[in-house]
Amino acid sequence: GQQVMQIPQYQHVQEGEDFTTYCNSSTTLSNIQWYKQRPGGHPVFLIQLVKSGEVKKQKRLTFQFGEAKKNSSLHITATQTTDVGTYFCAGDSGGSNYKLTFGKGTLLTVNP
Amino acid sequence: KAGVTQTPRYLIKTRGQQVTLSCSPISGHRSVSWYQQTPGQGLQFLFEYFSETQRNKGNFPGRFSGRQFSNSRSEMNVSTLELGDSALYLCASSLERGREKLFFGSGTQLSVL
Repeated sequence: GQQVMQIPQYQHVQEGEDFTTYCNSSTTLSNIQWYKQRPGGHPVFLIQLVKSGEVKKQKRLTFQFGEAKKNSSLHITATQTTDVGTYFCAGDSGGSNYKLTFGKGTLLTVNP
Repeated sequence: KAGVTQTPRYLIKTRGQQVTLSCSPISGHRSVSWYQQTPGQGLQFLFEYFSETQRNKGNFPGRFSGRQFSNSRSEMNVSTLELGDSALYLCASSLERGREKLFFGSGTQLSVL
């Protein structure tokens, strides 16, 4: 079945440093979504990418979808303590049997 | 609009018991998905319901079941609980099926002793 892998599993940064998490799928994806889960909270939708090579920005966050639609990345510029949490990517392979498969997430901690 | 509501918030059960978790989606949302979250395995898909029909199922044993009612509210049931069923169970709703962003509830934290 479809597998979605994320690296790194953990990342600790100093406030102000940049952060990147990578997502790789074993199959070509129809779309990829990113979610953030704060400690003790629930996942919250950040963004969806559907086009090959797509790049979207949300303030300090930049999301990319690979040309082959098998990988994606989330980059945060100049991290802040409010960025702490686990970032999940989730992809689906398309078709009528729609199912989002989540990566295991990257836990980001920020030292103030 | 109220968000996705899950009840109960916390649950403690013993091995062999059964449990029912409830999820009320955002008003107007017709698709409800369930996920199991554990520290080691991340978010694992259990099943998805749309228009009262199970549309998709993850790789979980038959002890895990669910249903959806005509008002889109959903329940999931786990029978013959095992220690390994201890997890955070998250419900997510979306407007329709496919390529829709998911809105998650706060989850039900199940502990099996």
